[in-house]
Amino acid sequence: QKEVEQNSGPLSVPEGAIASLNCTYSDRGSQSFFWYRQYSGKSPELIMSIYSNGDKEDGRFTAQLNKASQYVSLLIRDSQPSDSATYLCAVTPPFGNEKLTFGTGTRLTIIP
Amino acid sequence: KAGVTQTPRYLIKTRGQQVTLSCSPISGHRSVSWYQQTPGQGLQFLFEYFSETQRNKGNFPGRFSGRQFSNSRSEMNVSTLELGDSALYLCASSLYGATGEQYFGPGTRLTVT
Repeated sequence: QKEVEQNSGPLSVPEGAIASLNCTYSDRGSQSFFWYRQYSGKSPELIMSIYSNGDKEDGRFTAQLNKASQYVSLLIRDSQPSDSATYLCAVTPPFGNEKLTFGTGTRLTIIP
Repeated sequence: KAGVTQTPRYLIKTRGQQVTLSCSPISGHRSVSWYQQTPGQGLQFLFEYFSETQRNKGNFPGRFSGRQFSNSRSEMNVSTLELGDSALYLCASSLYGATGEQYFGPGTRLTVT
């Protein structure tokens, strides 16, 4: 089982709708969770970080964390064509393994 | 505040050669991590330097090495290049370390022929 799993997509969402991206992780004691956006040919850009159970909102983005079920999700409201990108989930494993582990990413396409 | 910078942006090398990549972190960040990104494997952690010391290392052969200078700038070296080393090499800086929020540079695209 991969440490961090994401559906590779592509996920197609109409403009103005809500895009929902999901990520599951295998290490129950994982501490920190991040979402990065990567446009084609560019480097990853941090868009959200979440550390405790529940929701965290930042503009049109909402990160949701459920440690009991070992998943973290990212919701994008009022999706725009500029949101079309690959979204990477990253997880900090339990202490003793001091590095981020990235999922392989979900490619999101917003259809005008 | 200036972002993370990496040089060069593109490199073409031949098998067997060696290459050195450079990274300047965000001012005030003492942690620099290096990642390799390929279509097949995604983002893979190479190593992290903090205050000139390597703190963490990923599962890469010894041909991949790095160092960090007193001004936090970091270099990564790959010796005896193989075709499979063709990838985007990303440097990320962080205030707290390899497990905190990472801010990536634009990357160096390495092609080995």
